[in-house]
Amino acid sequence: KNEVEQSPQNLTAQEGEFITINCSYSVGISALHWLQQHPGGGIVSLFMLSSGKKKHGRLIATINIQEKHSSLHITASHPRDSAVYICAVSRETSGSRLTFGEGTQLTVNP
Amino acid sequence: EPEVTQTPSHQVTQMGQEVILRCVPISNHLYFYWYRQILGQKVEFLVSFYNNEISEKSEIFDDQFSVERPDGSNFTLKIRSTKLEDSAMYFCASRIQGASTEAFFGQGTRLTVV
Repeated sequence: KNEVEQSPQNLTAQEGEFITINCSYSVGISALHWLQQHPGGGIVSLFMLSSGKKKHGRLIATINIQEKHSSLHITASHPRDSAVYICAVSRETSGSRLTFGEGTQLTVNP
Repeated sequence: EPEVTQTPSHQVTQMGQEVILRCVPISNHLYFYWYRQILGQKVEFLVSFYNNEISEKSEIFDDQFSVERPDGSNFTLKIRSTKLEDSAMYFCASRIQGASTEAFFGQGTRLTVV
């Protein structure tokens, strides 16, 4: 079983829809990261969370440490949001390296 | 905005050849990493580097791999004798501190071994 599980694996939405991507993890963590990977392959950091909620523009990330669960929300989705969204964790017992989920492929249609 | 720079963006090499992938981390960052992503798979950790030495490495990072910080700015990953299964996207990342800080990734080097 993967230590970091994401759902759904694939998500197709219409422009303007509210989107939620979920991440569950099975290990103790010091932080959780949401990353975005565009078709060219580059990875961009969106959020780093250790508790509560963070917001940046139309993106909102939440984490529930007790339930070992995080969500990434996109409000008023746009075709330019189409990308792979990756959840990754810094495990308490593994130094500072990141352990990655499989990613969620999001496609937003106009 | 400061960024992590990787070169080359693409590299094609023959099986058995040595390759060096180069990274320039953000200048005041102290922790450096190499990750790889085989096509269609998730990103995997290879090695972390702090204070001029390897701080952690995965089981993937065997004797054919090595890392170096030859000067104050570059961070390199060397693969000594490439195999077909080394074909992947290789990402360099850096952090100002360790686990409690944001990770910044380079754009990646796509390595194809033929």
